[in-house]
Amino acid sequence: AQSVTQLDSQVPVFEEAPVELRCNYSSSVSVYLFWYVQYPNQGLQLLLKYLSGSTLVESINGFEAEFNKSQTSFHLRKPSVHISDTAEYFCAVELAKQAGTALIFGKGTTLSVSS
Amino acid sequence: DAGVTQSPTHLIKTRGQQVTLRCSPKSGHDTVSWYQQALGQGPQFIFQYYEEEERQRGNFPDRFSGHQFPNYSSELNVNALLLGDSALYLCASSLAGGGAANQPQHFGDGTRLSIL
Repeated sequence: AQSVTQLDSQVPVFEEAPVELRCNYSSSVSVYLFWYVQYPNQGLQLLLKYLSGSTLVESINGFEAEFNKSQTSFHLRKPSVHISDTAEYFCAVELAKQAGTALIFGKGTTLSVSS
Repeated sequence: DAGVTQSPTHLIKTRGQQVTLRCSPKSGHDTVSWYQQALGQGPQFIFQYYEEEERQRGNFPDRFSGHQFPNYSSELNVNALLLGDSALYLCASSLAGGGAANQPQHFGDGTRLSIL
């Protein structure tokens, strides 16, 4: 069975500092990898995804994530965070053979950015 | 272009009651998935509907059932409510074909269900 582990439940950071949110997954078959962001009282928004090809994927708002197959990780990074990045971040996987069906989520990491 | 809409936004029920939650998918989408997000947890997959049939189901009891209508909208029904059913229920829509990897699931803002 597939599972996702987000290694940090809370990450406090100061504005303009770099941040890394860690995600490890467990799967014996090929998976697609996603990061979603959830702002208070809202649903989830797709931040970025890894399907195949280049192991480094980027989002439009400065986040990037790197797929590391040997370490089964998909850590999310941003070189300089803003107050507006404060939110809950979820890592998720999807079976490549069953694409379009269930997403399996981690428990989430709360990113708190302060000035 | 309307995104995924869910109703109601909040709901309070008592143990043993039944509840129906509703979801309208994003325009052009034909597949609807439901997730349960307990407080402090990640969303857990309940089931997915496509062509008015349940295509895949997660590890949830039969008390959780659903329906998809010809216009692709969907309902989630929960019978015999338990205190543990208190959660944010999220609906996500996507377009079949190519997989969600190419057509990422779009989420609504959810229905907050509280069981007293």
